[in-house]
Amino acid sequence: KAGVTQTPRYLIKTRGQQVTLSCSPISGHRSVSWYQQTPGQGLQFLFEYFSETQRNKGNFPGRFSGRQFSNSRSEMNVSTLELGDSALYLCASSSKYNEQFFGPGTRLTVL
Amino acid sequence: GQNIDQPTEMTATEGAIVQINCTYQTSGFNGLFWYQQHAGEAPTFLSYNVLDGLEEKGRFSSFLSRSKGYSYLLLKELQMKDSASYLCAVRDDKIIFGKGTRLHILP
Repeated sequence: KAGVTQTPRYLIKTRGQQVTLSCSPISGHRSVSWYQQTPGQGLQFLFEYFSETQRNKGNFPGRFSGRQFSNSRSEMNVSTLELGDSALYLCASSSKYNEQFFGPGTRLTVL
Repeated sequence: GQNIDQPTEMTATEGAIVQINCTYQTSGFNGLFWYQQHAGEAPTFLSYNVLDGLEEKGRFSSFLSRSKGYSYLLLKELQMKDSASYLCAVRDDKIIFGKGTRLHILP
């Protein structure tokens, strides 16, 4: 069974631009969560989607948004990028037994 | 507020046993997770506890006491490849992660 995939793996943007990251969960998993990981703050929850509906949202500004499609694939978007948005963005899909499997992440650098 | 505490770093010897503690204060509780993360890699799921008690899975065991807001991860027969960060996370309505414990294994 294929694992969680994320694209792109690396991304360099400049301040003010926007970015869209993609995540394909493990086949059969309907829940997808997004996290931001930085050395100073650790792993921070962004949002969780289940069956195309946002189930939970973390404490991030409205510049961070996401969506989930009918095939469970998910995207997250960050608009008006700031230097502090440089981070590793991780996507995870959850089985019905609450096991959470992470993708390799997208490393975003904002210049 | 919501808070998860775990030691920043620990050191242990190859072949030994180490216990990594995690205490939490959250508004709700729907389970506690442990993850392993090697440098430069994504976290890997280790365990999920929702009821009090010990869950054993090979060399790794995880314990939960909901009344005390406390969990620990026990690693036995330590191997060099166990050198990694170990993350404790609690789900209330969302999943909240601790800052992680960096475990160093000495030969």
